[in-house]
Amino acid sequence: AQTVTQSQPEMSVQEAETVTLSCTYDTSESDYYLFWYKQPPSRQMILVIRQEAYKQQNATENRFSVNFQKAAKSFSLKISDSQLGDAAMYFCALRNSGGSNYKLTFGKGTLLTVNP
Amino acid sequence: GAVVSQHPSRVICKSGTSVKIECRSLDFQATTMFWYRQFPKQSLMLMATSNEGSKATYEQGVEKDKFLINHASLTLSTLTVTSAHPEDSSFYICSARQGGDEKLFFGSGTQLSVL
Repeated sequence: AQTVTQSQPEMSVQEAETVTLSCTYDTSESDYYLFWYKQPPSRQMILVIRQEAYKQQNATENRFSVNFQKAAKSFSLKISDSQLGDAAMYFCALRNSGGSNYKLTFGKGTLLTVNP
Repeated sequence: GAVVSQHPSRVICKSGTSVKIECRSLDFQATTMFWYRQFPKQSLMLMATSNEGSKATYEQGVEKDKFLINHASLTLSTLTVTSAHPEDSSFYICSARQGGDEKLFFGSGTQLSVL
């Protein structure tokens, strides 16, 4: 069984500052994908960033970047130059890449508040 | 990006009635669709996986006779909550995967309230 743990139920950041959201996971597979999803008050799930486990280079999408530590099974999300629109629930998720199973396992989420 | 339409966005029904929720991929063919349930301030829990033309695969603890899933075409999957009870009240979200694509596209969700 695979698990995803987000140890920070809530975080806050000042506008224009940087914040890091933590995520650890456990899987017996050697090949898998990791994701960060954003769920704003509209409740629409939005993909923020994706990381393939076989890639050593950390994924980056504009102001969003990850720190992927495979040995430590850690996958944190860094948001730079935080904006008011970044306020949302953030979910870390894991998917094993083997076979046709596309099942995503989500963490419990971190509620991010951005203060003006 | 690809669009997944979920309808209705909100439904209120009486206990004992059945409710159908539709999930449509508007601009791509979805080989696989997924149904999730989300309780307030909690994470998404996968209920079932459906592949076009075959029976859905339900997660452990999900009653297949209560949550009927049909994936009759490559663009439409439906979730029917049969004989709904107040404890079925929740936010239901669908997602769809385009064949060969690693990305999942989510619908906007359906808030079900059973009185």
